[in-house]
Amino acid sequence: DAKTTQPNSMESNEEEPVHLPCNHSTISGTDYIHWYRQLPSQGPEYVIHGLTSNVNNRMASLAIAEDRKSSTLILHRATLRDAAVYYCILRDGNTGANSKLTFGKGITLSVRP
Amino acid sequence: DGGITQSPKYLFRKEGQNVTLSCEQNLNHDAMYWYRQDPGQGLRLIYYSQIVNDFQKGDIAEGYSVSREKKESFPLTVTSAQKNPTAFYLCASSRQGTPLHFGNGTRLTVT
Repeated sequence: DAKTTQPNSMESNEEEPVHLPCNHSTISGTDYIHWYRQLPSQGPEYVIHGLTSNVNNRMASLAIAEDRKSSTLILHRATLRDAAVYYCILRDGNTGANSKLTFGKGITLSVRP
Repeated sequence: DGGITQSPKYLFRKEGQNVTLSCEQNLNHDAMYWYRQDPGQGLRLIYYSQIVNDFQKGDIAEGYSVSREKKESFPLTVTSAQKNPTAFYLCASSRQGTPLHFGNGTRLTVT
């Protein structure tokens, strides 16, 4: 299964943009890039996903490199509530199998007031 | 509101006892999943079920058992055979090919 690599942690200031990087150099052509986040003592929640084009939703934006070997989750204005662990995950578009998802350690985002 | 309910939030048991964790969803999702999370670690898949009366082992099924008698319910039993049962347990559900919806977890402590 294709794997992702994320930094262990990142700090941000409140109300500033945050760019969370993810490397996935072995991504296959049918893999979708998914992001989830996990607030303290809660279950993860879905944030956004994409295949090739950049994607925007009410929570965040996803910028995908042209060669698809990396992507960046963008929080446009960080709030204290955005402090969480963010997981970058690949899902096979052929099977759509959630049972094959790999949740690694993710990146821990801290937000300074 | 639709969602996934895990109960209880905290559970304490003595070593050697079996314990069952509850997971109920009213999202009408076919698939349900159980994950285990240890401190500072990612999630590991224990069992999953794509349809009622059918389930498959995940990456760390030893010492655990599940049942799927109803679409809405997917209880997980942590048996005495599980060597290190203390962990945060997360249940999730999904439709085929759509993102996972997670519950808020049960923190199990075995002493």
